[in-house]
Amino acid sequence: KNEVEQSPQNLTAQEGEFITINCSYSVGISALHWLQQHPGGGIVSLFMLSSGKKKHGRLIATINIQEKHSSLHITASHPRDSAVYICAVNGGSQGNLIFGKGTKLSVKP
Amino acid sequence: DADVTQTPRNRITKTGKRIMLECSQTKGHDRMYWYRQDPGLGLRLIYYSFDVKDINKGEISDGYSVSRQAQAKFSLSLESAIPNQTALYFCATSDSRVGNQPQHFGDGTRLSIL
Repeated sequence: KNEVEQSPQNLTAQEGEFITINCSYSVGISALHWLQQHPGGGIVSLFMLSSGKKKHGRLIATINIQEKHSSLHITASHPRDSAVYICAVNGGSQGNLIFGKGTKLSVKP
Repeated sequence: DADVTQTPRNRITKTGKRIMLECSQTKGHDRMYWYRQDPGLGLRLIYYSFDVKDINKGEISDGYSVSRQAQAKFSLSLESAIPNQTALYFCATSDSRVGNQPQHFGDGTRLSIL
């Protein structure tokens, strides 16, 4: 069983829709990260959180430590949000990141 | 200029060749990492270095070696490349001085081994 599971694997949405991507993990963590990977390949850190909720523009990330679950929400989605979204946790032996397989989001105009 | 620079961006080579991927950073971070990404799999850690004298194997280090030439430079070598090392490789950095921090990634090197 993977230590970090994301769902769904693929997601297609219409422009303007509210999007939720989920991440569950099975290890003790010190922090959880949401990353974005655009078709060109580059990876950008969106959020790092260890409790509660963070918001940046149209993106919101939440985490429930007791349930070992996090969600990434995108409000008023736009085609430029099309990317792979990756969940990762600081849970390795030296706090290294353990990555989920990613969720591929496609937002249609 | 990018804070984390990987060279080359793309490389096609043949089985058995020695290959070096280079990573340099201007962020002043002490920690550096090499990952590979394969379709359908998450990023997997190859090697990591917490400072110039501290290098550690990651999850999938077999067939790879690394060198931390300076705080700002961390190179990954494939001594004798094989086709199943075809993948997208990422270098990343982080700063340990302030607890958990996001990692900063290079743009990746797409490596194809024929």
